Amino acid sequence: SQKIEQNSEALNIQEGKTATLTCNYTNYSPAYLQWYRQDPGRGPVFLLLIRENEKEKRKERLKVTFDTTLKQSLFHITASQPADSATYLCALPYNNNDMRFGAGTRLTVKP
Amino acid sequence: DAGVIQSPRHEVTEMGQEVTLRCKPISGHDYLFWYRQTMMRGLELLIYFNNNVPIDDSGMPEDRFSAKMPNASFSTLKIQPSEPRDSAVYFCASSLTGLGIDTQYFGPGTRLTVL
Repeated sequence: SQKIEQNSEALNIQEGKTATLTCNYTNYSPAYLQWYRQDPGRGPVFLLLIRENEKEKRKERLKVTFDTTLKQSLFHITASQPADSATYLCALPYNNNDMRFGAGTRLTVKP
Repeated sequence: DAGVIQSPRHEVTEMGQEVTLRCKPISGHDYLFWYRQTMMRGLELLIYFNNNVPIDDSGMPEDRFSAKMPNASFSTLKIQPSEPRDSAVYFCASSLTGLGIDTQYFGPGTRLTVL
């Protein structure tokens, strides 16, 4: 069966460091992958989409990689700030209209 | 645009009662999605609509759950009768085209507690 795994439930890092979150998937061949941010008490907010033919994508301090051979996406936040503290979810298409989400990684950036 | 609007934000009810959750999607979006989020199971898709028509309800847990979209600006998710295991945060999301490549915009969610 199809599975999406995010490396850990929680990740704690010091302000200014780079946070790296992992999304692994099995029994999928997605044409793209999305990353969302979710703050407590709020719905997920879309951050980035990366297609299978794109190795890397950047948006300000965010960088996403997509390795279809390893079946893995890495999500990096450089120069992290306490305001980056949130839960980050990866999502893959199940079919054209249906996205399936990972359980999320809760990132805490300590000042 | 106000974004996706959900009501109520919090609902506490007793087992056996009927619960109705409401959603107003972003104007002009053709697709509407209902999700449930729990610590154990994460974010799960329950059902989605295209132009007010239910397309896939395979995620609806059982017959106690039903969803309707009478018009382009309103949808409801009903649980009757409710059970304690239905306690979760229910999100509504909408997107322009419905293709997964299109961004889904989530509402703030309804936190449901069934006692």
